[in-house]
Amino acid sequence: QSALTQPASVSGSPGQSITISCTGTSSDVGGYKFVSWYQQHPGKAPKLMIYDVSNRPSGVSNRFSGSKSGNTASLTISGLQVEDEADYYCTSYTSSSPVIFGGGTKLTVL
Amino acid sequence: QVQLVQSGAEVKKPGASVKVSCKASGYTFTNYYLHWVRQAPGQGLEWMGMINPRGGNTNYAQKFQGRVTMTRDTSTNTVYMELNSLRSEDTAVYYCARVASSGRPYSSGWVSFDYWGQGTLVTVPS
Repeated sequence: QSALTQPASVSGSPGQSITISCTGTSSDVGGYKFVSWYQQHPGKAPKLMIYDVSNRPSGVSNRFSGSKSGNTASLTISGLQVEDEADYYCTSYTSSSPVIFGGGTKLTVL
Repeated sequence: QVQLVQSGAEVKKPGASVKVSCKASGYTFTNYYLHWVRQAPGQGLEWMGMINPRGGNTNYAQKFQGRVTMTRDTSTNTVYMELNSLRSEDTAVYYCARVASSGRPYSSGWVSFDYWGQGTLVTVPS
């Protein structure tokens, strides 16, 4: 099964908002509410930022929000900060395999 | 506090096998599924499979079927991931990750990973 589609890179300036998309199909993103987003800094393990499309784990800044429309999920980061610069990955439950990852998006804070 | 501590880095020859361990602490081991995810150098994350520590049942990604085995030892709260017939493309950091929910499948957070091991680098020289 192919990975979910994410843009390879996005960028923004401190204080701005950015959105990262994650496109799948009706067999994964579009068919279930189990979309998650992870942040990964270089050399570190991923960190859960959003689960079940739009829920934030305890301790995650409310600058991070998630949504979904059809087969595309989105992660929005508002009030960009330098420390938000990282790789971001989406995942979804799929009908053929419990978990599929997106290809990842590199966020650069200019 | 919840911790997942993995075994150390490995260097293996092509065709060999590697067994990576992930020792859990700080929670009830049998209540949460554990998954394995790998990341090749400079590449994205790839899901490999999962194990239910309670019953030991597993579910592997199709790509790894026949080559990967996940097991657990409830006496030491440890899960293992063994990958056989190694090739250079298996060079990666291997992570174990705990699901966020102890609920049933399809409940909130059941395929989200809130705790991760520190990663284990497996190198298979070409």
